[in-house]
Amino acid sequence: EVQLLASGGDLVQPGGSLRLSCVASGFTFRNFAMAWVRQAPGKGLEWVASLNDAGDSTSYTASVRGRFTISRDQAKNTLYLQMSSLRVEDTAMYFCAKGRGPYCDSGCQGRVLDSWGQGTLVTVSS
Amino acid sequence: EIVLTQSPGTLSLSPGERVTLSCRASQSVSTNFLAWYQQRPGQAPRLLIYGASSRATGIPDRFSASGSGTDFTLTISRLEPEDFAVYYCQQYGDSTRAFGQGTKVEIK
Repeated sequence: EVQLLASGGDLVQPGGSLRLSCVASGFTFRNFAMAWVRQAPGKGLEWVASLNDAGDSTSYTASVRGRFTISRDQAKNTLYLQMSSLRVEDTAMYFCAKGRGPYCDSGCQGRVLDSWGQGTLVTVSS
Repeated sequence: EIVLTQSPGTLSLSPGERVTLSCRASQSVSTNFLAWYQQRPGQAPRLLIYGASSRATGIPDRFSASGSGTDFTLTISRLEPEDFAVYYCQQYGDSTRAFGQGTKVEIK
């Protein structure tokens, strides 16, 4: 059974930094793309960032590009999201999610998010 | 940038009814790279459909989806109590990977 356990969410001041972690189990972590998706309180889903299986190709939504960095540690089966220069509008539940495949191949299976963790809450407020 | 618009915003229905949700894209979705997700209250989203019409593993066959280009639909043939939730479409053909704003299916 696929399990994704996210942690690291906290209350942080505007301009601050935070690192989220997501420990994966139940599948061969190194073979699949991974992603972070967020949901502001009472709002819809917003894709934040993705990383291919090898960890050498990333993509970000425009509002976080240059401030957030997605990465992975294959030995620890862990996905990370390093967040800096945090803004009030970054307040959200952050979900980590597993892609159906390694990357965007002909079917872009890596972009389809077939398993999700329960999320970790990030609150940016003074 | 592709924008997805879901309609209606909220549906009030009874168990056993049939429901069809709409997702319209502002421009054609590449190779029908469109997915549907279900989110129950307080839970993480769950993948229902990918490639516009392929059911994900373990999804009951009362869920079906179709569409191409800019118009996509998700149909639930007979609503079960556990189907009352919010449904999101997402396109993954371009770099924005945008989600629609969601349709809430609530108990009448």
